[in-house]
Amino acid sequence: SQQGEEDPQALSIQEGENATMNCSYKTSINNLQWYRQNSGRGLVHLILIRSNEREKHSGRLRVTLDTSKKSSSLLITASRAADTASYFCATEKTGGGNKLTFGTGTQLKVEL
Amino acid sequence: NAGVTQTPKFQVLKTGQSMTLQCAQDMNHNSMYWYRQDPGMGLRLIYYSASEGTTDKGEVPNGYNVSRLNKREFSLRLESAAPSQTSVYFCASRLYGTDYEQYFGPGTRLTVT
Repeated sequence: SQQGEEDPQALSIQEGENATMNCSYKTSINNLQWYRQNSGRGLVHLILIRSNEREKHSGRLRVTLDTSKKSSSLLITASRAADTASYFCATEKTGGGNKLTFGTGTQLKVEL
Repeated sequence: NAGVTQTPKFQVLKTGQSMTLQCAQDMNHNSMYWYRQDPGMGLRLIYYSASEGTTDKGEVPNGYNVSRLNKREFSLRLESAAPSQTSVYFCASRLYGTDYEQYFGPGTRLTVT
């Protein structure tokens, strides 16, 4: 079963707007990671947030983690057409054996 | 560095045929993974190898076998392909331990007719 569930499943915004996508998970985790997938390509790692961290920034990306609610959000500020892609959260469960469990993803479309 | 490479990129099989998907990484990673991606399902783990010499089942192992040939290579075999195995297959690797990111290959698009 999927550990992470992303919300929304699809998101369409105008260039320059901010995009927010959310991820919920079910069990205790060591960390939560966000990945990006361009159409027809492999996934690329964006950012990792550890369970003892609440917020992390990387360029135009801001990730928050609320372990009490078992949820995370990814904010992309000032979106560009090149940000059009699918975004996946992935969790490394505590005692989970060196593997990640991926969510179902959010499809982001940024229009000019 | 090539990163994670996969062959072939595309494959069409008839039901009952067998094939092996190849994966190699040049980043000296201990752990390697095979996923399948189906529309609306995200990535599901088929098998993984936490370190050279070990392999373990993931979420959807039925119909597949794996071989960790050496530290660099991890292959996925379909012994008797079924239409339900039509999917995009991704190989990934990472260092062993906590708080490491995974690196993905470009994927193999497999169609079973």
